[in-house]
Amino acid sequence: ETGVTQTPRHLVMGMTNKKSLKCEQHLGHNAMYWYKQSAKKPLELMFVYSLEERVENNSVPSRFSPECPNSSHLFLHLHTLQPEDSALDLCASSQGGGRTLQETQYFGPGTRLLVL
Amino acid sequence: ELKVEQNPLFLSMQEGKNYTIYCNYSTTSDRLYWYRQDPGKSLESLFVLLSNGAVKQEGRLMASLDTKARLSTLHITAAVHDLSATYFCAVGRADMRFGAGTRLTVKP
Repeated sequence: ETGVTQTPRHLVMGMTNKKSLKCEQHLGHNAMYWYKQSAKKPLELMFVYSLEERVENNSVPSRFSPECPNSSHLFLHLHTLQPEDSALDLCASSQGGGRTLQETQYFGPGTRLLVL
Repeated sequence: ELKVEQNPLFLSMQEGKNYTIYCNYSTTSDRLYWYRQDPGKSLESLFVLLSNGAVKQEGRLMASLDTKARLSTLHITAAVHDLSATYFCAVGRADMRFGAGTRLTVKP
C-alpha cells in the first residue's frame, strides 16, 4: 500500500448504529487529519492529530469521536449519526502538522458515508 | 476567523480558451495551496505558494500569490478536456480552511 488509504470506501448506516472509519498513512508523516465534505458545505476540517496528540477540534459533535493510536493510523468512531451527517469523510496526512513551511497534506480516497 | 472565498464557483470553458480562478482570504497566512478534485475522487495537491509574488506553473496551470491583497489566482491556458475537475484553494497550516471550490467544465 502507498500513500493514504481509507476503509471502508462506502458505508451505509442507520441512526442507531455504531461504526468506525479507518485511515492509514504509509508516508512516514507525523500529523493526520479528518475532513468532512458534504454537498452543502465546503470541505471542513474536523480533527487534527500531531504526534498522536489532538491539536485541533473544530466544534465537532460528540457523535464523531477520533482515535489516533500511533502516527500511522487514525480512526473515526461514529454513533447515533443523523441523516445530515451523510458526506464524504476524508483523511489526510502531512509531515509536520503545519510546522514545516513546504509541507503538503496528502489525502486519502475518502469514505462515502450515507446515514439513513 | 479565517475565511476563504473562491470565484467563480462554476466555470464552463471552451477548449483552447484561457481563464482565471480567483481565491481571496481574510487574514494573513504564510502559505496557500491549490488542490484538484475529480468527480468521486480525493484531492490532489497542485501547488504550494509561500511568498508574495510567488508563481508556480505546471503544464497549462499557473498559480500566483499576492499576500498584500490576500489574493491568489489559478490561470488556465488553452484549456483541454482533461482539466475538467473541481479546483480548491486552501489557506493555513494544520488548521487549513478551504474555499468552496470552482467546478470547471471544459467543452470541445
